Amino acid sequence: QKEVEQNSGPLSVPEGAIASLNCTYSDRGSQSFFWYRQYSGKSPELIMFIYSNGDKEDGRFTAQLNKASQYVSLLIRDSQPSDSATYLCALINTGTASKLTFGTGTRLQVTL
Amino acid sequence: GAGVSQSPRYKVAKRGQDVALRCDPISGHVSLFWYQQALGQGPEFLTYFQNEAQLDKSGLPSDRFFAERPEGSVSTLKIQRTQQEDSAVYLCASSQSSGTQPQHFGDGTRLSIL
Repeated sequence: QKEVEQNSGPLSVPEGAIASLNCTYSDRGSQSFFWYRQYSGKSPELIMFIYSNGDKEDGRFTAQLNKASQYVSLLIRDSQPSDSATYLCALINTGTASKLTFGTGTRLQVTL
Repeated sequence: GAGVSQSPRYKVAKRGQDVALRCDPISGHVSLFWYQQALGQGPEFLTYFQNEAQLDKSGLPSDRFFAERPEGSVSTLKIQRTQQEDSAVYLCASSQSSGTQPQHFGDGTRLSIL
């Protein structure tokens, strides 16, 4: 079992809809969770981070964390074609000296 | 600087050659990380510095890979006797401190070994 699991997609949503990206993880010692957006040929760009159970909102983005279910998600409201990218879920475990462990990413396509 | 700067952006080398990749982190950032990203995969951790100290090098694939950050600022990742499987994008990230602070990535170096 991989440490961080994501559906590779592509996830296709129409413009204006809500995109829901999901991530599960195996290590209960994981304490910090990050969502990065990566356009093709570009480097990962930090979108959101969340440390506590519940929801965290920033503009059109909402991160949701449920440590009991070992589940973290990213919601994108009012999806735009410019949101089309690969979204990487990443986490930091206690005792791993701050390194990020990434999933393989979910490719999102926002259609007109 | 405003962001993490990496150079060169692209590097082509023949198998067996040595290469050096440079990373200039965000000014004042204590922690610096190197990751390797293969096509279609998420980045994989290579090594981590806190200031000049290399605290974790568990992700380096072989002893051909070496990283340093002698003055706690700029870092260099060196790959000796390159092999085709070393072809990947090498990403550098920095964060303000250790622990769980968000990491910010540079544009990466795309390394191709012929």
